[in-house]
Formats: sequence, structure tokens, C-alpha cells
Amino acid sequence: GIQVEQSPPDLILQEGANSTLRCNFSDSVNNLQWFHQNPWGQLINLFYIPSGTKQNGRLSATTVATERYSLLYISSSQTTDSGVYFCAVGITGANSKLTFGKGITLSVRP
Amino acid sequence: EADIYQTPRYLVIGTGKKITLECSQTMGHDKMYWYQQDPGMELHLIHYSYGVNSTEKGDLSSESTVSRIRTEHFPLTLESARPSHTSQYLCASAGLAGGIDTQYFGPGTRLTVL
Repeated sequence: GIQVEQSPPDLILQEGANSTLRCNFSDSVNNLQWFHQNPWGQLINLFYIPSGTKQNGRLSATTVATERYSLLYISSSQTTDSGVYFCAVGITGANSKLTFGKGITLSVRP
Repeated sequence: EADIYQTPRYLVIGTGKKITLECSQTMGHDKMYWYQQDPGMELHLIHYSYGVNSTEKGDLSSESTVSRIRTEHFPLTLESARPSHTSQYLCASAGLAGGIDTQYFGPGTRLTVL
């Protein structure tokens, strides 16, 4: 099956710093999503981004499908950005399911 | 955002008990999923459904079972809980609308089996 690798596995930032999280995948996909899991365990969908670039406030994401990677940018980080960031990929369709990476644990210190 | 609900949020039970974790969504999504996640670890797909009367086992073997009698409801059952079942169980749903296939998660159920 498809392999998803996220890097770095852990990241510690000072509040206000910028960061880049990476997701590499081993096969062609047309569905790529980024999620944030907060300290209480809730997963929130950040981006649906199978290709191109999107921005939402301080967060932005870029997927280069032909090179099989996606990047999540966090600017001016805040303590509330702490948690685990998951990348998940798959093929869109009526019978689709996602393959998740192992996640990147981000800690933002005040 | 999809509205997807899970009950109970927390459950502590003794070994050998039968339990059912509830998951409901109000968005009319055909696809629903159950994931198991240990603290700080990756998500493992244990069951999924593409519609009513459709259920499939996921990538991680699980002793649990599921049913999909109604579109909005996807309960997970453990016939005889064991300490090895202690984990967080996350339910998700997805619907294909306008070519966008976004998955939405419920708040999760934290299960502890003593």
C-alpha cells in the first residue's frame, strides 16, 4: 500500500516563530488532507489540498503532486498551535479511505 | 463542518463486559470510518463503511464489530472487553461533494478496560 512519511517527527518552537512540516508519499494520489489533533484528542481538518496552494490565516499548505510531497507552513506560531499534525492521502471516490502518516508533534512554548 | 457525535466520551469498564461505542453524523455522508489510536501514536483504521449494509475490516485487525443499518449511525461493539482494548476510538465520516472528499472526525471515545 501507499507509504506516508512525515518530518520532522517532533518540533519545538518559541512563540512567534515560523515552521514548515513536510509530508512525502510513495504513490500518486488525488486526495491529500492535513489535520491537527489538539491535546484533548480532537482531530480538525485543516486543508483538503491534493494539489496547489491554499491559505487559511496563519496556516498555508502546498502540494506538489507530481513530486509526491506536501508542505504545511505555520507562521507566527502560538501556543494553541501545539498538538500533532497528520497528513493523510488517498484516492477520491465512493469507496475511498485515507492512509495517515505517523504525525508531527509540535510544541510551541510561550 | 460536518456534525459528527460520539458517545460516551469516556468509558471505564471491567474485563469481559460487552460495550457499544456510538457514532452518528448529520451530514448524510455515505462513508464512515472507525480508527483506533493509542496516546501519542498514529491512527489505525479498524472498520469502514461505504453505505448502508456495507462494512469492511480495516488495516489493523480488531476484535470489534460494526454495523451500518442507517446512513447516519455507525456503532462499534466489543463483545468481551479486555485490557488490550484500552485506547482512543475515533469515528469519522466523509462525503464526496463537488469532487471534494473531506474527512471529518468526532471527538473520540477514550476507553479504559480494567
